[in-house]
Amino acid sequence: KQEVTQIPAALSVPEGENLVLNCSFTDSAIYNLQWFRQDPGKGLTSLLLIQSSQREQTSGRLNASLDKSSGRSTLYIAASQPGDSATYLCAVPQGDSWGKLQFGAGTQVVVTP
Amino acid sequence: EPEVTQTPSHQVTQMGQEVILRCVPISNHLYFYWYRQILGQKVEFLVSFYNNEISEKSEIFDDQFSVERPDGSNFTLKIRSTKLEDSAMYFCASPRGARSTDTQYFGPGTRLTVL
Repeated sequence: KQEVTQIPAALSVPEGENLVLNCSFTDSAIYNLQWFRQDPGKGLTSLLLIQSSQREQTSGRLNASLDKSSGRSTLYIAASQPGDSATYLCAVPQGDSWGKLQFGAGTQVVVTP
Repeated sequence: EPEVTQTPSHQVTQMGQEVILRCVPISNHLYFYWYRQILGQKVEFLVSFYNNEISEKSEIFDDQFSVERPDGSNFTLKIRSTKLEDSAMYFCASPRGARSTDTQYFGPGTRLTVL
């Protein structure tokens, strides 16, 4: 059974620092991996989707890498801003059900001005 | 960017009552999902819906739960007899394109509180 783990559970950084968020998964036979952002009491916003054939994906200040063989993905957020404060979740498809996502518990990020 | 909408944003109900949570997915999407998130816990898959029928459901999705697509736009989750442990945020989601593997768009959620 796929298990998704995110470490650390919480992170606080001063504005301007780069953020590094980790996601690990036990079954490396994944089709893709998604990173989401969740603001308190709100829904999930998709940030990046990396296909299994890709090593990384970039969008603005965000860069996500994927190493399937080691079961890890890393989300980098460059030059963090207070508006980046949120919980970041990673998710992978469960088994053969590619649309059914298995989520990590998330990393809660606070960027202080 | 396309938007998934959900109503109501917050529902308070008494234990044993029926609730219907509504979602308007992005038009022309084919796959639909319900997830829930109990406060402080992971987002969990409940059920997937394709071609007007359930394609997969989790162990959580027991006989008290049902889903429908009553018309071409709405997608509903019904809980027949709510329990205290049903209190959670419920999210509707659908992939961007025709493939289940496309980027998933989530609605803002309905917070269900069972008293």
